[in-house]
Amino acid sequence: GAGVSQTPSNKVTEKGKYVELRCDPISGHTALYWYRQSLGQGPEFLIYFQGTGAADDSGLPNDRFFAVRPEGSVSTLKIQRTERGDSAVYLCASSRTGGSGELFFGEGSRLTVL
Amino acid sequence: AQRVTQPEKLLSVFKGAPVELKCNYSYSGSPELFWYVQYSRQRLQLLLRHISRESIKGFTADLNKGETSFHLKKPFAQEEDSAMYYCALRTYSGAGSYQLTFGKGTKLSVIP
Repeated sequence: GAGVSQTPSNKVTEKGKYVELRCDPISGHTALYWYRQSLGQGPEFLIYFQGTGAADDSGLPNDRFFAVRPEGSVSTLKIQRTERGDSAVYLCASSRTGGSGELFFGEGSRLTVL
Repeated sequence: AQRVTQPEKLLSVFKGAPVELKCNYSYSGSPELFWYVQYSRQRLQLLLRHISRESIKGFTADLNKGETSFHLKKPFAQEEDSAMYYCALRTYSGAGSYQLTFGKGTKLSVIP
């Protein structure tokens, strides 16, 4: 594809529900990142994948958040027992390599927890 | 811990006037700094990085380690510069992982 693709673009759910957000990175990019952007804030790092493995998950706020990338391409961010405070735009970015490679961002998935 | 501060939430300038978007950082290591831009209804994209020392769309930014600043400047603002601008600091967090720490952003509005 032309760029990083994220689905859904918008998700409204009720408190306590489970949600999945999907990211399809640029073909050939081995590094994949998830960021969260709350209203009025800059993006905040959640997790970084190099290939299939999560090389750095230090930004995940708690154990309700989990992400996978089983084949080293598409990634899914999973949020259990959603809370109103989880409402934010979830951004995915990919890079040709990790480290100093330029990050290319998707348009984000806007999550609203009622 | 590292921190990026953008003191202005909103900056309004007239077309043709100079622009300076402020960014200060706090980091004990060797900093690597970036400016990202998000135009209306578009995705976040890299504008420039300090190591390139290049001018993109007329914008420049110089890293001042003494003042821990990385201000973004343009001598003559254009209407198409209206956007949200984020300053970001890249740090190494181990295991081959580099994280970007973003500021809260400054919304630039160029008045025709």
